[in-house]
Amino acid sequence: DAKTTQPTSMDCAEGRAANLPCNHSTISGNEYVYWYRQIHSQGPQYIIHGLKNNETNEMASLIITEDRKSSTLILPHATLRDTAVYYCIVRVDSTRGGSARQLTFGSGTQLTVLP
Amino acid sequence: KAGVTQTPRYLIKTRGQQVTLSCSPISGHRSVSWYQQTPGQGLQFLFEYFSETQRNKGNFPGRFSGRQFSNSRSEMNVSTLELGDSALYLCASSLGDRVRNGYTFGSGTRLTVV
Repeated sequence: DAKTTQPTSMDCAEGRAANLPCNHSTISGNEYVYWYRQIHSQGPQYIIHGLKNNETNEMASLIITEDRKSSTLILPHATLRDTAVYYCIVRVDSTRGGSARQLTFGSGTQLTVLP
Repeated sequence: KAGVTQTPRYLIKTRGQQVTLSCSPISGHRSVSWYQQTPGQGLQFLFEYFSETQRNKGNFPGRFSGRQFSNSRSEMNVSTLELGDSALYLCASSLGDRVRNGYTFGSGTRLTVV
């Protein structure tokens, strides 16, 4: 798996955009970038994923650089409920068994949304 | 539709005992994965089951085992509990075809070994 690097923590003012960076300089051509978040004492929640194009859904936007070595998760209008640990994961989109399908979580970024 | 259901939510066991945790995936999901989360090691993959077969296993001792039933419900078992097994155990379900379809996690079972 490509290794990811994320800042340990970030703060964001409520109502402002939260921009969470992730470096994945060793990503290979068939690996996707996935984002999950984990609110305290709950299971991780899928947010978004992308391969090389920017993606947007109802929760967030994902911006992937042209060389695919880094990406940014954008929460456009952060609320207090967005306070969580955000995980950036790089993975192939595999249908095979074996280790191809397990998610490898790093330490993530603790995002704190301040009132 | 109902999410991933894990039971029980909390459990306290004594060293040396064994424990069984249960996971009911989202209806129609055929893949169930298990993860252990501790403050020191973070989220670590235990194993994945698909159509009653273990497809992959993480780097955990043989005391950790699991199984999946024909209705896709899964159980994991930990025998001869150690203090270090205290953790949040999370179950995740997916359709089982592609990683990009995403995994839905349950709220977990918090196991405390005393």
